[in-house]
Amino acid sequence: GQQLNQSPQSMFIQEGEDVSMNCTSSSIFNTWLWYKQDPGEGPVLLIALYKAGELTSNGRLTAQFGITRKDSFLNISASIPSDVGIYFCAGSTGNQFYFGTGTSLTVIP
Amino acid sequence: GAVVSQHPSWVICKSGTSVKIECRSLDFQATTMFWYRQFPKQSLMLMATSNEGSKATYEQGVEKDKFLINHASLTLSTLTVTSAHPEDSSFYICSAWDSSPYEQYFGPGTRLTVT
Repeated sequence: GQQLNQSPQSMFIQEGEDVSMNCTSSSIFNTWLWYKQDPGEGPVLLIALYKAGELTSNGRLTAQFGITRKDSFLNISASIPSDVGIYFCAGSTGNQFYFGTGTSLTVIP
Repeated sequence: GAVVSQHPSWVICKSGTSVKIECRSLDFQATTMFWYRQFPKQSLMLMATSNEGSKATYEQGVEKDKFLINHASLTLSTLTVTSAHPEDSSFYICSAWDSSPYEQYFGPGTRLTVT
């Protein structure tokens, strides 16, 4: 199935720094979702976005639903060691979901 | 958020045997469940979409006779890997779709090792 373009592929940052990652698609989506996956675990939903232009926060995480409905952004402020993991975006047209390729985040204490 | 469980979390089996993995939505009813396969350091690969009371829809390249899916109730879907071979070793993750809102919740995954 279709995969979304997610960038960057991996990031190595110092603790306390902010992180930005994005996801783009050639298709329009009705919903954008962001997940975090720890090693050996299933992805955990972080933020869900339902409207173009919507900006939603969850603690230090902020995500935005792009105006064109073809992209989304996730920002993490003041990163901490437990932010380490793989972050996936997902776009949904209703009953179909398409996942990004993932961004691996490493936080250096 | 909604909770999805998977059982077992880790299974080792011999080549040629069959393995069943269960996926349950614990606090909501899921008419649709998804089964994914994930290789190390890669994204999720959708294998099939499971709809309660009907046959599963398999993605291109996924053998439906090898990966049997049954979605007998609104809270349970099972994936049976038949005649498993070492190349079937992988991390299998299920998810359940909550249509209100349109969100997908994942199980914790099942690590399958075929020796």
